[in-house]
Amino acid sequence: DSGVTQTPKHLITATGQRVTLRCSPRSGDLSVYWYQQSLDQGLQFLIQYYNGEERAKGNILERFSAQQFPDLHSELNLSSLELGDSALYFCASSPQGSTDTQYFGPGTRLTVL
Amino acid sequence: GENVEQHPSTLSVQEGDSAVIKCTYSDSASNYFPWYKQELGKRPQLIIDIRSNVGEKKDQRIAVTLNKTAKHFSLHITETQPEDSAVYFCAAWITSGTYKYIFGTGTRLKVLA
Repeated sequence: DSGVTQTPKHLITATGQRVTLRCSPRSGDLSVYWYQQSLDQGLQFLIQYYNGEERAKGNILERFSAQQFPDLHSELNLSSLELGDSALYFCASSPQGSTDTQYFGPGTRLTVL
Repeated sequence: GENVEQHPSTLSVQEGDSAVIKCTYSDSASNYFPWYKQELGKRPQLIIDIRSNVGEKKDQRIAVTLNKTAKHFSLHITETQPEDSAVYFCAAWITSGTYKYIFGTGTRLKVLA
């Protein structure tokens, strides 16, 4: 157990819908990262927040957005969902900056029907 | 554009043999290179990392080497054991332009008992 929690574990929804994934980092960690892992695919970095501010950005779609709240938990919002958005979404946290050890949560499996 | 190439995509070795996985990156400003192990159905876990001011780093049976001139880094696992069977991902922290992580496509390592 890494200490990073993600909810929900599984999410099934329809195309065109909007969902919110939630992540609570390890106690004391200031950075939160979001990743997408499609079936049999590698990891795709989406975005990083540090202490409430966006710090780094990958190839995150415009339909996706994220934020980190004052209590340091983070949410990833996915809208206008498409079949291709079906994937495992991981959140990770690290104590400080972008090159600290990252600890991954268990992931949220999103299925878009 | 920025990318990280990882080879081989699959690797089978006999228990006790060594395994080597290589990644090549394109952005010469990259300065941090982590390696992750992901067992089936589990979250990625950092197994070793290296920064650009170091040429080699070891942790028991695992080592990583970095050649900045050639822009490649390699994971070496010695005395492989069945529990080393997993998918391994390399990554590079890109620092030119937009900061982001770029991941390799993964290597499925199978250690045969």
